[in-house]
Amino acid sequence: GQNIDQPTEMTATEGAIVQINCTYQTSGFNGLFWYQQHAGEAPTFLSYNVLDGLEEKGRFSSFLSRSKGYSYLLLKELQMKDSASYLCAASDSNYQLIWGAGTKLIIKP
Amino acid sequence: ETGVTQTPRHLVMGMTNKKSLKCEQHLGHNAMYWYKQSAKKPLELMFVYNFKEQTENNSVPSRFSPECPNSSHLFLHLHTLQPEDSALYLCASSHGSDRFPNTEAFFGQGTRLTVV
Repeated sequence: GQNIDQPTEMTATEGAIVQINCTYQTSGFNGLFWYQQHAGEAPTFLSYNVLDGLEEKGRFSSFLSRSKGYSYLLLKELQMKDSASYLCAASDSNYQLIWGAGTKLIIKP
Repeated sequence: ETGVTQTPRHLVMGMTNKKSLKCEQHLGHNAMYWYKQSAKKPLELMFVYNFKEQTENNSVPSRFSPECPNSSHLFLHLHTLQPEDSALYLCASSHGSDRFPNTEAFFGQGTRLTVV
């Protein structure tokens, strides 16, 4: 079957760095998405990776290893506003998105 | 503001009621989607419309009935729901065809539905 695994919850300190991991098993692969969702708000797009390697976008970076079925989202210089859920989703051979349950990130002062 | 607007934001309905959720986008997208989001569970894709044609129905019970009158509007008609249908219902749109072929989705803020 198709499956996405990511930690349920993580805690980090303001100003620090945190890495949120995601492993996936899909029938075919057409890329991996990361979304951010603040409580009570819409998920918003953060990144898309389809090739191996690291994509950097400001304080956020996303990494993909297709051979390992693995991705991570790296958040640097954490701010209180980064407290949110982070959703990982893999696109399968039919371009259907397979979603993880999300990682709730708690930032402490 | 993501460009996708959902109404109402909150809805409480009895199991015998009939209600409708509305979604509107003015982003010029061709595809629109309904998702169900339950606590600590992955997003569940319910319906997909591409150029106003339904292209996906992921074994959703008939008590949920979608309608897409034009490429900017999407409705989800609800009737005789069950308490386990209580969840956040999210609408999304994208440029893509019947999937998300390498294009990001824009989500509305959702309707928090409680069935009593």
